[in-house]
Amino acid sequence: AQSVTQLGSHVSVSEGALVLLRCNYSSSVPPYLFWYVQYPNQGLQLLLKYTSAATLVKGINGFEAEFKKSETSFHLTKPSAHMSDAAEYFCAVSLYSGAGSYQLTFGKGTKLSVIP
Amino acid sequence: NAGVTQTPKFRILKIGQSMTLQCAQDMNHNYMYWYRQDPGMGLKLIYYSVGAGITDKGEVPNGYNVSRSTTEDFPLRLELAAPSQTSVYFCASSYTGTDQPQHFGDGTRLSIL
Repeated sequence: AQSVTQLGSHVSVSEGALVLLRCNYSSSVPPYLFWYVQYPNQGLQLLLKYTSAATLVKGINGFEAEFKKSETSFHLTKPSAHMSDAAEYFCAVSLYSGAGSYQLTFGKGTKLSVIP
Repeated sequence: NAGVTQTPKFRILKIGQSMTLQCAQDMNHNYMYWYRQDPGMGLKLIYYSVGAGITDKGEVPNGYNVSRSTTEDFPLRLELAAPSQTSVYFCASSYTGTDQPQHFGDGTRLSIL
């Protein structure tokens, strides 16, 4: 069974500090991996995705994530936090679920607070 | 370009009432999904569809029904509302179900009292 674990339900960083949001997955085959962001009272927006082309993936708003197969991790980073980065972040893994279809499994989310 | 449109945005139901949450997409996506989001629990898949006329259960389908008569629309039906169905519901769509990202609507906030 596939699962996604996000370490830390809440993370606080100072404005200008490094953002590191952790995601580990369990899968016996290389998965497709995604990071989504959710602002208050909105739906989820795609930040970036990993589809085996490159292990370091760059996304929108200065975020990037590195796929590490040996650690089964896909951590999200941003060098310098901005107040507008305050949101909830979800890691998700897409795996084949049979009968020609894939399903996306989400982590429980990490709320990022940015302190001025 | 509207993307994924969900209606209504908010609704309060009484226990035992029924309602349909509407979802429409204008991106000609084959795949459509319904999720529910509860605080601290991430998103759970309720039902999904890989094309018109084809639907399948997700992780938490009990108490819900869906239909997919057109590519654009994917309504979610609650027949006998229960307090446990109080949640935020998101509809999403994608071109394929593999490495293509899902596009989400803004959600329907449903309270059952």
